[in-house]
Amino acid sequence: DQQVKQNSPSLSVQEGRISILNCDYTNSMFDYFLWYKKYPAEGPTFLISISSIKDKNEDGRFTVFLNKSAKHLSLHIVPSQPGDSAVYFCAGGGRFGAGTRLTVKP
Amino acid sequence: DTGVSQDPRHKITKRGQNVTFRCDPISEHNRLYWYRQTLGQGPEFLTYFQNEAQLEKSRLLSDRFSAERPKGSFSTLEIQRTEQGDSAMYLCASSPTGGEDEQYFGPGTRLTVT
Repeated sequence: DQQVKQNSPSLSVQEGRISILNCDYTNSMFDYFLWYKKYPAEGPTFLISISSIKDKNEDGRFTVFLNKSAKHLSLHIVPSQPGDSAVYFCAGGGRFGAGTRLTVKP
Repeated sequence: DTGVSQDPRHKITKRGQNVTFRCDPISEHNRLYWYRQTLGQGPEFLTYFQNEAQLEKSRLLSDRFSAERPKGSFSTLEIQRTEQGDSAMYLCASSPTGGEDEQYFGPGTRLTVT
């Protein structure tokens, strides 16, 4: 059951530019969403979250936007840094998307 | 406490053998989760514990799989009569109280069934 979808398996951006990672969900009962980052040979680590009572949450270079009517959220990273290169997972309702591999080129 | 630990990190076994994995969560975290991750996919929920009680099991958790958390601290995941389709990364995570808390993941145990 693909209740959380990340349709872009990969994304490549230049250092200093904005990275936008997208996530769609199907269950309107989901009311809290999280983004995790995963480096090779490590488990996912929590990055940022958003509650459905908000449409934006910001933490430093990372901002998550939530569009409840579209059942869509996005993670913006600006400016992108090479150390941001990792796989990013969107999660909601205990379910994870398939992940997007972000590569930030120096 | 340095985080969630899992043992072993890698396990190679022959089809039909039993394997057991261990997870040590962050101390004082009440919730403990098991996930399975295959190549190109996100973590898939298997089961979770609130203290020693196993509160939910996914339909992915066939009767060959069993998980325990006997004293509400560490947990074990056993797979009996392994099949090649069981080859995956098995991730453990813990959280302070559950609900909307973020989860803290271990490094995972990579299982290869030959």
